[in-house]
Amino acid sequence: KAGVTQTPRYLIKTRGQQVTLSCSPISGHRSVSWYQQTPGQGLQFLFEYFSETQRNKGNFPGRFSGRQFSNSRSEMNVSTLELGDSALYLCASSFVQRGVNTEAFFGQGTRLTVV
Amino acid sequence: LAKTTQPISMDSYEGQEVNITCSHNNIATNDYITWYQQFPSQGPRFIIQGYKTKVTNEVASLFIPADRKSSTLSLPRVSLSDTAVYYCLVGGAGGGNKLTFGTGTQLKVEL
Repeated sequence: KAGVTQTPRYLIKTRGQQVTLSCSPISGHRSVSWYQQTPGQGLQFLFEYFSETQRNKGNFPGRFSGRQFSNSRSEMNVSTLELGDSALYLCASSFVQRGVNTEAFFGQGTRLTVV
Repeated sequence: LAKTTQPISMDSYEGQEVNITCSHNNIATNDYITWYQQFPSQGPRFIIQGYKTKVTNEVASLFIPADRKSSTLSLPRVSLSDTAVYYCLVGGAGGGNKLTFGTGTQLKVEL
């Protein structure tokens, strides 16, 4: 069974640009969550999508957005990039059973560097 | 959300048992305790989850006292490959949604 796949693995962007990251969850997992990891702030929850709807949201500015497609694949977009957006962006998928998310399976992440 | 407190780092040697304790004084009645492991530049990996008493799987054991204000992750006979950051999380059942990660414990295993 394939794991969570994130593309691209590495990305370098310039301040002010926008970026789109992609995540393919494990087959059968309909919940996809995104996290940002930086040395200073650690791992922080961005948002969760379930059945193409954003179900939970963390404390990030509106420049961070996402969506989920009917096949559960998800994309995350960051507009007007800032230097502080440089981070490892992690996607996690989980199976939802009777309304409860089972354990999260994380991808390898996308390392975004903003210059 | 319940806040967790863990040691920042721990050192051990191969073959030893390692116990990492997590404090979560404000745990709610319906909260579960979940542990994740993370290697550098990789996503966290689920290790174990429990609600009370003791839970054991093929890689670890989780001990939770009756008051549930703390928990201990026990890794039997660690190896060099267990060098990683270990996160204790407190939250809903299943352990897979809107995870709140603390600073984690950096475990270093040496020969």
